[in-house]
This record gives sequence, structure tokens and C-alpha cells, in this order.
Amino acid sequence: EAGVAQSPRYKIIEKRQSVAFWCNPISGHATLYWYQQILGQGPKLLIQFQNNGVVDDSQLPKDRFSAERLKGVDSTLKIQPAKLEDSAVYLCASSLEPEGANTGELFFGEGSRLTVL
Amino acid sequence: KQEVTQIPAALSVPEGENLVLNCSFTDSAIYNLQWFRQDPGKGLTSLLLIQSSQREQTSGRLNASLDKSSGRSTLYIAASQPGDSATYLCAVGTSYGKLTFGQGTILTVHP
Repeated sequence: EAGVAQSPRYKIIEKRQSVAFWCNPISGHATLYWYQQILGQGPKLLIQFQNNGVVDDSQLPKDRFSAERLKGVDSTLKIQPAKLEDSAVYLCASSLEPEGANTGELFFGEGSRLTVL
Repeated sequence: KQEVTQIPAALSVPEGENLVLNCSFTDSAIYNLQWFRQDPGKGLTSLLLIQSSQREQTSGRLNASLDKSSGRSTLYIAASQPGDSATYLCAVGTSYGKLTFGQGTILTVHP
């Protein structure tokens, strides 16, 4: 079974530029998550989708971050304009069961490492 | 607001030792608890998942326990090997899947 796919793996940009990350979850997984992991810290949830609807985006900096999950499968996370403090690894994860009925096991991709200069 | 703390932040042990990693959380109303492993430059690999109704889970040399009432979990690694060197992350989950992570314990097992 293929895992969670993410691209690009690495991206270096100047501050105030824009960047987009792509995620393809495990086939059949209804729930998709984007986490931000700053060096030396644990991951922090940015946004959670259930199919193509948003469940939780309370920690997403909406003035510069946006995310979408068209057709309930792939997802993109965009940052525009980027700031120095956005340097981090952006992890995508997916889980099988729908809200309220899940065992809660998440499967993570390898992440996209962003460096903002 | 749920907060998760992991102790110690870093641990260095000789090969063959048994070791314990600790995780504590402030809100006992959790749905589950997961332990993950993260290798440098890699994503997270799920090691063990404990549902809120369970007390422990075992997989090979790993054993994780959960005490909801005291807000604690431990990950026990038996007979450690150099290949166990990695960052170990504890995360508590809600019923709709959101995970709150600790900062991790960096484990080094030297030959």
C-alpha cells in the first residue's frame, strides 16, 4: 500500500515570496491533516479536512496561509507572502475513519522542508 | 488547552540497556495516545496507538502504558540497539483525529 506522498521535499525561497506544497493521502483515507514542525519542536496542527470540508483550521495563520482539498483527495498548502518564521517542515498526514468513529491512527508523509531566507 | 510534555529532552545510553521515555498531558479527556518515531529529515512513523480505554500496548521490544487519571504515558524500550536512535514523539488525540504533540525525546544508543 502506497504511503502519504508529498512534494516538493525541499524548497528555499526569499521572504515575501510564495510557495505551495502538495499532498496525496493514502487511497481511501477520508481525513487529511497539515502539520507544521519547527526545528526542535513537535508538530503543530495547521488544518484538518474531512473529505473536502474543513474540520479545524483554528491554528492556521489565515492572513498568509491557505489550503484546499478539491474533490476530497489531494491537497495543497500555500504560503503567501512567506516570512522568516515560516521556515519549518510541513507534514501531511491522513487517517482512514471518519470523524467520531475512528481509532485515530494517523499516517504521515516524509514532509516538505521550507527554508525562508 | 491540551499541553503535552516529554521528559527527558535527550537521552544517551549504551547498547543493550532498557530505557523509559515519559510523556505527560494536562487534560485527561483524551481519545487516544500515539507514540511516533522520527528519524532525521524524515516523517513520523507510528509505533504504538493506545485507545483511552486501554492500559498498554506492546509491539516487539516496545511497550507503551497509559494512565489517563494521572495524565501520563511511558514508552519502554527493551534491550536498546543503535538502530533505535531517533526522536520519539508522544501525541494525544481527540475523537475527531486532532493530535497534540510533545516536543520529543532525542534518543542516542551508542555501541
